[in-house]
Amino acid sequence: SQTIHQWPATLVQPVGSPLSLECTVEGTSNPNLYWYRQAAGRGLQLLFYSVGIGQISSEVPQNLSASRPQDRQFILSSKKLLLSDSGFYLCAWGPSAYEQYFGPGTRLTVT
Amino acid sequence: AQSVTQLDSQVPVFEEAPVELRCNYSSSVSVYLFWYVQYPNQGLQLLLKYLSGSTLVESINGFEAEFNKSQTSFHLRKPSVHISDTAEYFCAVTIYNQGGKLIFGQGTELSVKP
Repeated sequence: SQTIHQWPATLVQPVGSPLSLECTVEGTSNPNLYWYRQAAGRGLQLLFYSVGIGQISSEVPQNLSASRPQDRQFILSSKKLLLSDSGFYLCAWGPSAYEQYFGPGTRLTVT
Repeated sequence: AQSVTQLDSQVPVFEEAPVELRCNYSSSVSVYLFWYVQYPNQGLQLLLKYLSGSTLVESINGFEAEFNKSQTSFHLRKPSVHISDTAEYFCAVTIYNQGGKLIFGQGTELSVKP
């Protein structure tokens, strides 16, 4: 069966520091991969999605970036964090365009 | 542009009472519809989905949702809720042939009281 992992589970970082969140999927190949952010008391916002290695689509202009160095690995990065980057970051994978399964999430607090 | 509106941010109910969580969407093209559930500090779990066929879809834990194209709605219902149903519920849509990008509503917090 397929599983999706995210790490770290929680992270506290100062403003201006770099960020790297990792997401990996097991048990499938060539999945669609997604990064979402959930701010406190708000819905989910799609940040990036990828349909293949090296193929990244950005939905929201901001100081975040994403990369897909391997088929089942999706990385969310920032060079300098802002206070507004705080939130719950969720990675998801999809066997097709019409199903998405979410990871456990990373709680990021920028201080 | 497509959008999703969940009309109630919070729904408190007593255990064993029926519940309806409302979801309306706006789109000029055909959509696929989903309900996700999120327990505290966890990721989202797919509850049920409508892609085609019967407009009434059911989940394994007693929830059901009905796609109503004329009213552009996809309300979630359960005839008798349990304490364990306490969670946040998200309605989402995706547009055919757009890479599976999900557009989420703001969520409805369901609180089941004993």
